Amino acid sequence: DAKTTQPNSMESNEEEPVHLPCNHSTISGTDYIHWYRQLPSQGPEYVIHGLTSNVNNRMASLAIAEDRKSSTLILHRATLRDAAVYYCILPYGGSQGNLIFGKGTKLSVKP
Amino acid sequence: DSGVTQTPKHLITATGQRVTLRCSPRSGDLSVYWYQQSLDQGLQFLIHYYNGEERAKGNILERFSAQQFPDLHSELNLSSLELGDSALYFCASSVDYADEQFFGPGTRLTVL
Repeated sequence: DAKTTQPNSMESNEEEPVHLPCNHSTISGTDYIHWYRQLPSQGPEYVIHGLTSNVNNRMASLAIAEDRKSSTLILHRATLRDAAVYYCILPYGGSQGNLIFGKGTKLSVKP
Repeated sequence: DSGVTQTPKHLITATGQRVTLRCSPRSGDLSVYWYQQSLDQGLQFLIHYYNGEERAKGNILERFSAQQFPDLHSELNLSSLELGDSALYFCASSVDYADEQFFGPGTRLTVL
């Protein structure tokens, strides 16, 4: 199964954009790239997912490299509430719904 | 509030015992997933059910089992509990396989 690589931690200033990178060089052609986040003391929360082209929603944007070996989650204006662990995830066992969470990137947001 | 409910919120039990964790998915969601989160292992996928049928197994121990009932709620049964089973257990649901998953608040299991 394909794996992802993310930095352990990142820091951002409040109201500035944040770019969270993820490498997934062994991704298969049909795998969606999923992003979830986990705020302290809460269950994971869906952020965004995409296959090939860039995706936008109310929470974030997902920029996917043309070769699909990497992607970047973009938070356009970080708030203190965005401090969380962000997981870049590929599906497991050929089923798009089975998500294997890695260690993720712990994002700190400074006021 | 994700719409996924899990009971109980907290569970304290002793080694060797058996417990059942319950999950009610969002209305209309056919898929239920179970995850275990411990400090040293992170968030581990355990098992996936779709409309009552097991679809995939992850790192689920043989001492653990799950099922999804006709009303789509699911139960995770943990038996012969060990200290290392202490963890947060999350349930998630989605409409279909590739859709976004909505996570419940979790059940914190402490095995003494």
